Amino acid sequence: AQSVTQLGSHVSVSEGALVLLRCNYSSSVPPYLFWYVQYPNQGLQLLLKYTTGATLVKGINGFEAEFKKSETSFHLTKPSAHMSDAAEYFCAVSFSGGYNKLIFGAGTRLAVHP
Amino acid sequence: NAGVTQTPKFQVLKTGQSMTLQCAQDMNHEYMSWYRQDPGMGLRLIHYSVGAGITDQGEVPNGYNVSRSTTEDFPLRLLSAAPSQTSVYFCASSSTGVNTEAFFGQGTRLTVV
Repeated sequence: AQSVTQLGSHVSVSEGALVLLRCNYSSSVPPYLFWYVQYPNQGLQLLLKYTTGATLVKGINGFEAEFKKSETSFHLTKPSAHMSDAAEYFCAVSFSGGYNKLIFGAGTRLAVHP
Repeated sequence: NAGVTQTPKFQVLKTGQSMTLQCAQDMNHEYMSWYRQDPGMGLRLIHYSVGAGITDQGEVPNGYNVSRSTTEDFPLRLLSAAPSQTSVYFCASSSTGVNTEAFFGQGTRLTVV
C-alpha cells in the first residue's frame, strides 16, 4: 500500500535559517509528488509538484524540493526562513490511474522565531 | 473567480442529527473530492467524483453520502452525526489527470456533541 511519512510533526527555526521539511513515500509504482501549505484557518494551496523530468523542483515563495528515487524522498527546503513561512506543510502523492486521489502525510507545523 | 466555496464555515451538531456540507466550484473541474483533517493524521479522503453522476468511496467513507448531479456541486451528507465525525472538512477540485493541482475550499469546522 502507498503511504507518506513526514518526519517531525513540529519544526522550529530562526528567521533567516535554513528550512528543511522531510518527506518519504512508500510505493511500488512511480509517484507524482506534491507539497501543499496551509496557513491558519485556511485551505491548502499548492507549493510545488514533481511529475516527470527534472528532479529539483522550484515552487512559490522560494521553496524547492528534490525527488530522490533511490531514497524515496521528496524533502522541502528554503535557504532562508521568513516569519510569513509559519504554517503547516503537507507532503502528498498520487499515482497513475488514481484519478488524482491524493494521499497525504500527517503534516509538519513550521514555527519561525525572531 | 471564487474557486472552491464551502458552506457553512462552522457547524455544531447533536449526536444523531443529519446535515449537508455544501461545496461548489466555478472552474469547470471534472474531479471533486472531500477530505477530513484530524490532528496528527493529515487529510484523509472520504469520497470523490470524476464527473457528474459518478462517485466512489475513499479511505474513510462510513457515515457519509455524496452525490454529483452537476459539474459544479458536490455536497457531503452526514446521515447520523457521531462525535467521531468532529473534524475539519475540506472540499477540493481539479482537472482530470493525476498530476494536476488540487484547489481547496476554506474548510468547514464541524463539532458533534
